Amino acid sequence: DQQVKQNSPSLSVQEGRISILNCDYTNSMFDYFLWYKKYPAEGPTFLISISSIKDKNEDGRFTVFLNKSAKHLSLHIVPSQPGDSAVYFCAAKGTYKYIFGTGTRLKVLA
Amino acid sequence: EAGVTQFPSHSVIEKGQTVTLRCDPISGHDNLYWYRRVMGKEIKFLLHFVKESKQDESGMPNNRFLAERTGGTYSTLKVQPAELEDSGVYFCASSQVEGDPYNEQFFGPGTRLTVL
Repeated sequence: DQQVKQNSPSLSVQEGRISILNCDYTNSMFDYFLWYKKYPAEGPTFLISISSIKDKNEDGRFTVFLNKSAKHLSLHIVPSQPGDSAVYFCAAKGTYKYIFGTGTRLKVLA
Repeated sequence: EAGVTQFPSHSVIEKGQTVTLRCDPISGHDNLYWYRRVMGKEIKFLLHFVKESKQDESGMPNNRFLAERTGGTYSTLKVQPAELEDSGVYFCASSQVEGDPYNEQFFGPGTRLTVL
């Protein structure tokens, strides 16, 4: 049973517009969440994280929002650039391990 | 500083054969993880080493999988005998400090395993 869900397998956005990637989780004990980005033939690379004591964390063009009551987080990319085209994985931190979603493939159209 | 490296990048074997995957973590990283992604699905945790000790192997699918980390440096993951459902991309990750679970995990490029 998946504890972290990314229900949109793919998303296409025009360059310069906002990309919103969504993630839901089931375990209310999770207290730390991460987004990783993955290009083809490469490993996932860390993008941004958020602790459950916050509802927003921002790093340049990337912002992650956390809604604990809804058990939902989202990643906003503004403005989107063609180089952002990749697969984005949402993850929750277990004791040490990460519990990942299935990923969302983002395509930013020039 | 070199990142996490994995060897081989690809492996194609027949059902019933044995394959050994290797991971070299970032130097000085105590924590080493193995994950697997089966096509289109989530990246799933397999196990976690702290130095040479297995901290958590709850994600290992069955006893055909054996992971070792002798000396607390590189790690190997052996699949013997391989089955069709073992196909996927095997990722290794490492993080720095023993005892700090909030350390970022750095991932290697993965080994794509195909079992025919």
